[in-house]
Amino acid sequence: NAGVMQNPRHLVRRRGQEARLRCSPMKGHSHVYWYRQLPEEGLKFMVYLQKENIIDESGMPKERFSAEFPKEGPSILRIQQVVRGDSAAYFCASSPRRGGPQETQYFGPGTRLLVL
Amino acid sequence: GENVEQHPSTLSVQEGDSAVIKCTYSDSASNYFPWYKQELGKGPQLIIDIRSNVGEKKDQRIAVTLNKTAKHFSLHITETQPEDSAVYFCAASLLYTGGFKTIFGAGTRLFVKA
Repeated sequence: NAGVMQNPRHLVRRRGQEARLRCSPMKGHSHVYWYRQLPEEGLKFMVYLQKENIIDESGMPKERFSAEFPKEGPSILRIQQVVRGDSAAYFCASSPRRGGPQETQYFGPGTRLLVL
Repeated sequence: GENVEQHPSTLSVQEGDSAVIKCTYSDSASNYFPWYKQELGKGPQLIIDIRSNVGEKKDQRIAVTLNKTAKHFSLHITETQPEDSAVYFCAASLLYTGGFKTIFGAGTRLFVKA
């Protein structure tokens, strides 16, 4: 059973460009979480999604950031008009559908975004 | 909202010694406490977890204790080895409408000296 997959692993963008980060949850998982990690810091919650629904986006900046988890395909975290402060590692985690050990989140390897 | 504090931020031990990392949480509704290990350049990996109806859980060299009254929980690693060197994160999860919210501590960087 493949784990959580994220791509790209590294992404370089110039200020003002768009960044698209993809996350494929573990098979059978329908809950996806996105976190941001700055160097030498902990994980900060950004957004929690289920298929076709945003459940909690309280940790995501209101402007330039958006997330989706379509019925088919990976979850996408999109950052428009990137600025240097967006440089960080972005991690995706997934957990099973209701009824399983749903509290446990399994993390992907992360996407390291560098904004020049 | 929930707040998780983790101490120490850095811990250095000699190989074979024990390491203890402590966390406190603020929301008494939190009922699930996972611990993650993050190696350089990788994503966090779950190493052990504990639920609020249990006071202690052990898995080989790793153990976690939970004191619900005091709202603190700890990770204990015995007989440390160089490969235990990593950043460790504690977390507290609580149920809310639609699922669970997990709040992470700031992390402890553990160095195990050979």
